[in-house]
Amino acid sequence: GAVVSQHPSWVICKSGTSVKIECRSLDFQATTMFWYRQFPKQSLMLMATSNEGSKATYEQGVEKDKFLINHASLTLSTLTVTSAHPEDSSFYICSARTGGDADTQYFGPGTRLTVL
Amino acid sequence: GNSVTQMEGPVTLSEEAFLTINCTYTATGYPSLFWYVQYPGEGLQLLLKATKADDKGSNKGFEATYRKETTSFHLEKGSVQVSDSAVYFCALSNTGGFKTIFGAGTRLFVKA
Repeated sequence: GAVVSQHPSWVICKSGTSVKIECRSLDFQATTMFWYRQFPKQSLMLMATSNEGSKATYEQGVEKDKFLINHASLTLSTLTVTSAHPEDSSFYICSARTGGDADTQYFGPGTRLTVL
Repeated sequence: GNSVTQMEGPVTLSEEAFLTINCTYTATGYPSLFWYVQYPGEGLQLLLKATKADDKGSNKGFEATYRKETTSFHLEKGSVQVSDSAVYFCALSNTGGFKTIFGAGTRLFVKA
């Protein structure tokens, strides 16, 4: 089946630094990718919807200047957490939509970010 | 707006017990409904889905029926195993949108 990968799977960084997380669709082209955030023992919260070649659409309350999303190609979207702080520590999960007749959404394995 | 409500956990069962995790939804139009499973330290995996009323999704012994009259999509399994221990998320997305709304998740523990 379709596979979505994320890199890195975990990252630890110092407060004030920026961290980039990649999301790739490995065997299909994704016109739309989504970024979610999951706090410990909580549900996933949609952060933004990313369409290839256009600006991401952010959900209410998500700072677009803090969480930069770039969907440069049909197989790659990146999320950059800028000037990270400890409260940004979380599990970030992307998903990709296949489109077409069997339009389906596949989730990546997630990236655990810890900001010290 | 759209929302998903699922029963609070944790749910603790003995192996081979019957499982039900309740899920109800509020949505405009005719959403697709999903159950996702998250094993410890991993991302989400689609467990099953149903795209229209009265559809039954099933996979790995789990099943759920899309009930429009009660706006429900309860997850059931006749005989759980220790390996089913995970967090289960009920979710919906509107047709064509794919903005998925998740329930809070229900943690399941299965004891041997």
